[in-house]
Parts: sequence; C-alpha cells; structure tokens
Amino acid sequence: SQQGEEDPQALSIQEGENATMNCSYKTSINNLQWYRQNSGRGLVHLILIRSNEREKHSGRLRVTLDTSKKSSSLLITASRAADTASYFCAPRILTGGGNKLTFGTGTQLKVEL
Amino acid sequence: DAGITQSPRHKVTETGTPVTLRCHQTENHRYMYWYRQDPGHGLRLIHYSYGVKDTDKGEVSDGYSVSRSKTEDFLLTLESATSSQTSVYFCAISDGVGDEQYFGPGTRLTVT
Repeated sequence: SQQGEEDPQALSIQEGENATMNCSYKTSINNLQWYRQNSGRGLVHLILIRSNEREKHSGRLRVTLDTSKKSSSLLITASRAADTASYFCAPRILTGGGNKLTFGTGTQLKVEL
Repeated sequence: DAGITQSPRHKVTETGTPVTLRCHQTENHRYMYWYRQDPGHGLRLIHYSYGVKDTDKGEVSDGYSVSRSKTEDFLLTLESATSSQTSVYFCAISDGVGDEQYFGPGTRLTVT
C-alpha cells in the first residue's frame, strides 16, 4: 500500500503539553498533507509540505519531512482541549497517482484538562 | 468553510436497493472525490473526477459508479447496496493537482 501510516494510533496528553505524531510512507512523494477530523465531522486540511521542504510552521503546528527516511512528523505545541481529534497524514505520490491522496487510519489525540 | 454540501446526511436502506449520494460544490473546483471511512481502514478513495464527464476509479470502486454532468455536482451510486457498503461517505474537492482537499460533512449510510 502507498498510504501514509500514522504512529501512535492513540495519544493522550494534558492541556499545555506538546503532541507529536509521526507518519511513514513507502514511495516517492510530491507533497505530504496533514488533516484533522473532529468526531462526526469531515476532514479539515491543516498543512501541506512539499518534497523539497524540510520544515513548515503554521501557528502552533510544526511539520517536518525527511524524504530520505520517508517520514514526517506533526508537532502541536501548547495543546488545548479543542485539539482533541483524529489526525491523518496523506502523502501525494509522485508518479502514477494522478491527484490522489492516500490516507492512513490516523492518530487519535485526546487532550485532557 | 469551503462550499460543499452532501445529501442526504443520513440514509438507511435495504440490501439490493440502488442508492445515490449527491455532492454539491460552489467553489468551481475542478477535482471532486468520493471516499468511504470505516473503522480500522481509514479513508479510502472510491472514485474521483478531474472534470465534467471525466472520472476514474479509486482503490475501492467495485459496486460503485459515479457521474459528473456539471462542474458543481458529483453523484455516487451504489447500484445494488450490500451490507458491506454500510459506511460514512465523504465528498472532497480540490482546485489543482496536488492541492489540499476540502471535505464535505459526510453521509452516514446504513444498509440493512
């Protein structure tokens, strides 16, 4: 499968702590995207990092990409209860994939007060 | 939020009946997608469209067909619904190749 695989499957932290989620993939990519899904809702795009980028920031989010290891990480700093959600990485494969993204099963993040 | 609506939002149907789900966008985006989401499987692509009347299969297309006669509408049809098609179905859109996708609110389909 060419899908991204998130690790860990579940993560529970206290409000104010940082949360780190990892993603691994198997083939060369054009870009890698991270999405959030609140319970019962559609996915929301968080950030896109291109294959020639190593790090990207957006507010409290920091994404890194290591194409040599075929891995990415999403860091959420100073987490809040509202960050409780599932997080998905979606690599866009470089060739033969058209515009298709492949999603893994996600990391379920719970931020407790 | 991107202007994407899905209808119906919830549907219960019987095995063997045809079902059509509708996705409607007001963003004039070129690409539209149908996914299903199941526990333990994540999000899987069923079909996608790269323009009016231009569609292609995803990884789980068996038992599904799609049509796109207008830029704004993408229909997903279950030709003869089976219990294995009980799922939450999401529509998504994107403007360009490789761009971020915007998702609709989902349709929860139960096949009894």
